Amino acid sequence: AQSVTQLGSHVSVSEGALVLLRCNYSSSVPPYLFWYVQYPNQGLQLLLKYTTGATLVKGINGFEAEFKKSETSFHLTKPSAHMSDAAEYFCAVSDLDDFGNEKLTFGTGTRLTIIP
Amino acid sequence: DSGVTQTPKHLITATGQRVTLRCSPRSGDLSVYWYQQSLDQGLQFLIQYYNGEERAKGNILERFSAQQFPDLHSELNLSSLELGDSALYFCASSAFSGREAYNEQFFGPGTRLTVL
Repeated sequence: AQSVTQLGSHVSVSEGALVLLRCNYSSSVPPYLFWYVQYPNQGLQLLLKYTTGATLVKGINGFEAEFKKSETSFHLTKPSAHMSDAAEYFCAVSDLDDFGNEKLTFGTGTRLTIIP
Repeated sequence: DSGVTQTPKHLITATGQRVTLRCSPRSGDLSVYWYQQSLDQGLQFLIQYYNGEERAKGNILERFSAQQFPDLHSELNLSSLELGDSALYFCASSAFSGREAYNEQFFGPGTRLTVL
């Protein structure tokens, strides 16, 4: 079974500073990895995903993440934080059941606060 | 706007009661997924339907059931409600089922259930 660990349930950065949200995973199959963002009172929105190919993945709103197999990590970064980035971020890994159906397992989330 | 709609937005009920949550997937999407987001359990996959048939099950209680109708909308039924069932329930939809590279899940805004 797969699992996802997000280090730091709360992260605060100053506006304009680097954003780094950490995610480590375990998976028994080649992983598909995702980052979702949840703004207050809204559903989840896909930021980016890694399936195969290039290990550096670029997403929306200037975010990117790098798949590092040797470290089983998929950390999310953004060079310069903006006030609008304040939200909760979820890392997820997909798993296939015996019938080839995909299920997402989410981390516990990291709440990002931007300091003006 | 993801194109996935959920009703109602909020639901307040008492212990022991039964409620039905409704989800309409994006136009053309055949798969519907249900997730529960609570403070203590985080975001958990409950169940998936594909074109009317159950495809995958996660941590869904026996008191909970779901179905997908011929018009592809889905309902999640929660019965014998307990205080601990208070949570945000999300529906997501995708075009396919399985690990197709572009089988992105689109999330609805959620239904907030409060059990008193």
